[in-house]
Parts: sequence; C-alpha cells; structure tokens
Amino acid sequence: GAVVSQHPSRVICKSGTSVKIECRSLDFQATTMFWYRQFPKKSLMLMATSNEGSKATYEQGVEKDKFLINHASLTLSTLTVTSAHPEDSSFYICSARGERELAKNIQYFGAGTRLSVL
Amino acid sequence: QKEVEQDPGPLSVPEGAIVSLNCTYSNSAFQYFMWYRQYSRKGPELLMYTYSSGNKEDGRFTAQVDKSSKYISLFIRDSQPSDSATYLCAMSHGGTSYGKLTFGQGTILTVHP
Repeated sequence: GAVVSQHPSRVICKSGTSVKIECRSLDFQATTMFWYRQFPKKSLMLMATSNEGSKATYEQGVEKDKFLINHASLTLSTLTVTSAHPEDSSFYICSARGERELAKNIQYFGAGTRLSVL
Repeated sequence: QKEVEQDPGPLSVPEGAIVSLNCTYSNSAFQYFMWYRQYSRKGPELLMYTYSSGNKEDGRFTAQVDKSSKYISLFIRDSQPSDSATYLCAMSHGGTSYGKLTFGQGTILTVHP
C-alpha cells in the first residue's frame, strides 16, 4: 500500500516553455501532498504543501507564479514549472501524506522527475 | 544550528558488516521519526517509522530512538551491496503540522563486495 506515482520521470525542454509534472496516490486518498526540489548530493528542499481543494502553501523564497501547484482531487497534484529556464533544471520529487491516523505523519514519495532545461 | 544533524559520510563498509547511521536533533517537539533510503536518481523509500523511544526491528533493520538524548539511529545488519544508497533521517512534530518533515542531510553508504 501507499504507492505514489510521479510522471514523467525525465523531461527535457527548451528555455521559455512550461512543464507539468503529475503526482498521483494510487491506493489511498491524499489530502495533503508535498513538492520538493533536490540538488545533487543534497537533501530535499520543501517547495510547497498542497492541500486538496485549496491553494498551496509555498515555502519562503519559492516563487508561486513560477511553480504552479494544483491539487484538484484526492489522488492528484500537479506542479507546473512556467517559463522554465536553465536554472530550474533539477530533480523534483512529490510526496503524499498518509491517510490513516498514525500514517498522517509519514510521507510516501514518488520516484522523482529530472528536469533539464536547455 | 540545524534542527536535525546527520553526518553526510561517505561511509564505506565491507559486505556483511553492521552499519550504524545516526541523527541528532535539537527540537524536543519532534515526536515521529523516520528513516528513508534513496537510491541515485530515485525518490526516497520509507524504511522505518517510529514514534516512541526504544528499538523497532524489521528484518535486517533496527531503528533506535532516544528522546531524552535527542538521538536516533538506524542499524543495518549483514549489509549487502544493494544497501548502497543515501539514508535520510526525517522527523515530524505531528499534530497540526500536517505531516511536514524535517530531514537530515543524508548519509551516503557504500557496501562493497
């Protein structure tokens, strides 16, 4: 149980284009999902917290107009990197908070998306 | 001072060795403790989860929490080359923090045959 699917796993795009990354909880409902960015050999950096049916909460320093998050259903959250530039190239990972009482303090992660902006 | 400190290593051990990975934390509000394993270019995979002081065992893995010392450990017995990965400790306040996690820096482990 608690499987999170993230798609695509790899994307290469031209500078100025927008890229959408999907995160799905496959066997549970995820009222809360998280989006992270990870640089090589570094830990995960939380970008935003996404709650179903409401606006995402962004961490300090993360541009909400640049990284659009939509959590329209209990099993799907999307991250859109708008007008991507080379400095946006990174590894993006989503996670979903567990549903059952004790599991609400656990996050289950997707496999990540490697974005390369040319 | 970071809320969670974890030695980044790298740590290299021979196959079959017992591996000890550790994290210390400064915030006594942390109540839930997790260990994740992350292979290169993959998302983190949950290994162990505990919310009380003491030991929790699952196969070759043992998680240890000492809340009085604000110290957690992960032990791997009979380590295998397939255990080579980055290990991340993570902690949560619980309650209304909606499961937000604070991570250690990660320890890079290599188990050589």
